[in-house]
Amino acid sequence: EAQVTQNPRYLITVTGKKLTVTCSQNMNHEYMSWYRQDPGLGLRQIYYSMNVEVTDKGDVPEGYKVSRKEKRNFPLILESPSPNQTSLYFCASSWEGPYNEQFFGPGTRLTVL
Amino acid sequence: SQQGEEDPQALSIQEGENATMNCSYKTSINNLQWYRQNSGRGLVHLILIRSNEREKHSGRLRVTLDTSKKSSSLLITASRAADTASYFCATDGVNAGGTSYGKLTFGQGTILTVHP
Repeated sequence: EAQVTQNPRYLITVTGKKLTVTCSQNMNHEYMSWYRQDPGLGLRQIYYSMNVEVTDKGDVPEGYKVSRKEKRNFPLILESPSPNQTSLYFCASSWEGPYNEQFFGPGTRLTVL
Repeated sequence: SQQGEEDPQALSIQEGENATMNCSYKTSINNLQWYRQNSGRGLVHLILIRSNEREKHSGRLRVTLDTSKKSSSLLITASRAADTASYFCATDGVNAGGTSYGKLTFGQGTILTVHP
């Protein structure tokens, strides 16, 4: 089944404790991206990747890191999480770029205390 | 950066009625997409309309695009209770040369409630 998976689905952590949210797709998509969703603000893009070893900042990259060492995986890293990073996070992938249909993961709900 | 904005923020209708949602954006685009989200879940792609298209249909969905006004509308006809969800528009901006910036920008969404 074609899908985008994220782990963990739920995470409660404390300020400053490094964490990684994994994202994997099995559709051989070139384009992958991360979003955060907050009430009243819609989805905001954090980082995106056009292909392996090619990543770029979205609209809200501060406090986040990403890597794209393999085509299928695009982990989101929070080196020192803060309470303002409490949010619902989505990973998405598509053929070639943002101009094609995006396939979304199920989301990761992160709470930073 | 560009930002899509949906209007209205919330819409409440009866089953069988039509629902219309609007989206405005600020920069030139390759295309505009509409997505649906059921409470807290991942977004699902509904329809994509390219910048050189003015109208597109898919089942009970009708999307229009007016690039001169930088706006789009999504019409859901004969709505059902199962259509209750949040709906988002998303755009990929392009520069003066028509090259994509590589980013996808979502609006804040319209919450649609369809009462049985």
